[in-house]
Amino acid sequence: SAVISQKPSRDICQRGTSLTIQCQVDSQVTMMFWYRQQPGQSLTLIATANQGSEATYESGFVIDKFPISRPNLTFSTLTVSNMSPEDSSIYLCSVGGVGFRGANVLTFGAGSRLTVL
Amino acid sequence: GIQVEQSPPDLILQEGANSTLRCNFSDSVNNLQWFHQNPWGQLINLFYIPSGTKQNGRLSATTVATERYSLLYISSSQTTDSGVYFCAVASGSEKLVFGKGTKLTVNP
Repeated sequence: SAVISQKPSRDICQRGTSLTIQCQVDSQVTMMFWYRQQPGQSLTLIATANQGSEATYESGFVIDKFPISRPNLTFSTLTVSNMSPEDSSIYLCSVGGVGFRGANVLTFGAGSRLTVL
Repeated sequence: GIQVEQSPPDLILQEGANSTLRCNFSDSVNNLQWFHQNPWGQLINLFYIPSGTKQNGRLSATTVATERYSLLYISSSQTTDSGVYFCAVASGSEKLVFGKGTKLTVNP
């Protein structure tokens, strides 16, 4: 399976600022996914990052708040904009391998733990 | 959309004990994965198991697709098994839906 490097691993941010998280994969992948995990909660998909086109956002997430770049098949960034304490979460990058009948078998990066003061 | 329920929500064991974690889902699936999230937040893919049985060391998993559930077995538990275990499912090419997880604590 793919090896995913994510940075920063953790950061403490001030309210109103923005932070960009980077995700690097050791092989070319078609789709990359960004998830959010709020404290004590499960994972929620933010968006799917597609190379060569705009990201596809899930309900409740908008491009102005979470802009995503996907310049090539091995790299993506997620920016958390104008942060508030409610944005304190672990943000995880993942990529899919091919499973049965086109299933996306996911591998995750180590995550970026953000604390907003 | 598809619903995922995991049980129990919390589990406390003594080192060396065995345990069974359950994942129920509401529709047929072609993707079911078990993950372990360690205390530092890293998610490790344990099994891709839309049906059948797989084993990897002290861990094994069984999915009975016709009855819409999956079980994760942990034998001879160790303190390093502590963390949260997530089940995630999807139908067709739909996105994975995660359960709320089972928090496992293994005491020495």
